[in-house]
Amino acid sequence: SYVLTQPPSVSVAPGQTARITCGANNIGSKSVHWYQQKPGQAPVLVVYADTDRPSGIPERFSGSNSGNTATLTISRVEAGDEADYYCQVWESSSDIGVFGTGTRVTVL
Amino acid sequence: QVQLQESGPGLVKPSETLSLTCTVSGGSISDYYWTWIRQSAGKGLECIGRIHSSGSTNYNPSLKGRVTMSVDTSKNQFSLKLSSVTAADTAVYYCAVTYYYGSGTFYNPSWGQGTLVTVSS
Repeated sequence: SYVLTQPPSVSVAPGQTARITCGANNIGSKSVHWYQQKPGQAPVLVVYADTDRPSGIPERFSGSNSGNTATLTISRVEAGDEADYYCQVWESSSDIGVFGTGTRVTVL
Repeated sequence: QVQLQESGPGLVKPSETLSLTCTVSGGSISDYYWTWIRQSAGKGLECIGRIHSSGSTNYNPSLKGRVTMSVDTSKNQFSLKLSSVTAADTAVYYCAVTYYYGSGTFYNPSWGQGTLVTVSS
């Protein structure tokens, strides 16, 4: 199956920029979605189809995707952004969604 | 946005069948896709399968034929059955609405709060 690799953790100071990567072979040819999950809560969609934001998601959240790496960028990080973040793609062979391993963002 | 709520037993014995229902409110279940996803400490997030309001399904091959999903449009509900469960099936189970973006891609814009199912005797 398609494996999506994320760094286990990213630490960032308030006001700075956090970049979370999602790596896989030729991921640039797929649409990538990103979810934020805070402790004890369900995941929340923050970016879909590489770069689109659902209504209500701040513009500070943005995405990009090219080659073998997709990236979620959080600008002007706030304490409330501390959470686990997961990437997701749709695997065409099994027609099933596949999630990345997850990245814990810590705000220093 | 629709709201989703999972319900079902929180404890299932090994070798028995796990059964969960997801109730959709704030919108109709018709004409959409619906997905079950689970999250365990050992395996992270895993898509179990997807069902359309018409009843067509697609399951994760890794679950080896143990999964059955169904939909009841009259009750605005869809359901999951997972048979022959083991401790490895212990997880938080989520239901989610699934939108088709295009080019064979789906995503999950809204999730239920999740329900913990423990497999233990």
